[in-house]
Amino acid sequence: EPEVTQTPSHQVTQMGQEVILRCVPISNHLYFYWYRQILGQKVEFLVSFYNNEISEKSEIFDDQFSVERPDGSNFTLKIRSTKLEDSAMYFCASRVTGTAYEQYFGPGTRLTVT
Amino acid sequence: AQSVTQLGSHVSVSEGALVLLRCNYSSSVPPYLFWYVQYPNQGLQLLLKYTTGATLVKGINGFEAEFKKSETSFHLTKPSAHMSDAAEYFCAVSDEGGGSNYKLTFGKGTLLTVNP
Repeated sequence: EPEVTQTPSHQVTQMGQEVILRCVPISNHLYFYWYRQILGQKVEFLVSFYNNEISEKSEIFDDQFSVERPDGSNFTLKIRSTKLEDSAMYFCASRVTGTAYEQYFGPGTRLTVT
Repeated sequence: AQSVTQLGSHVSVSEGALVLLRCNYSSSVPPYLFWYVQYPNQGLQLLLKYTTGATLVKGINGFEAEFKKSETSFHLTKPSAHMSDAAEYFCAVSDEGGGSNYKLTFGKGTLLTVNP
């Protein structure tokens, strides 16, 4: 069964460093999302991406964040200058268009900023 | 703005007992509702969804949920808990609106433990 994959599973970085989190969505899906879950808190929407552009972003998704679909298969989330409060589990999700509304989630990348 | 409230951050049941996980939502448009399950060290897996039509929806692993518009609820149930059901469960709402990106708004989650 097709699934969303994410790499790495765990990333440790120092404050101020740039990180890139990678996702490979399911191949025929057209909508892509990033969510994050800070430990002990709810899963929060960050950004959605469709037709090679951001379609919606949350207040969390400030200028430090960017997304890209560089090669038609990967979907990346970049954090330019990480802060301690960026430590969280980051989930990628994808969805087909039409009437199948459910999103399929990857296993997540745990980002630890020290 | 949409929101989801899950009553009870932790629910503990005995194996074979009824599982009831509560979810109430707030949405200005007809909602699409979802339950996801997260097993330890894994991603979010869809259990079931309500979009339109029959208000009682059945999902995987024997779970079902009923959409009650008058109560703005979408509670998740399973008649008989199994040890393998131990996980965290998330209720989520997505707005229908035309051209929407169907982003999900999640509740805080309910950790289900099943005692032998």
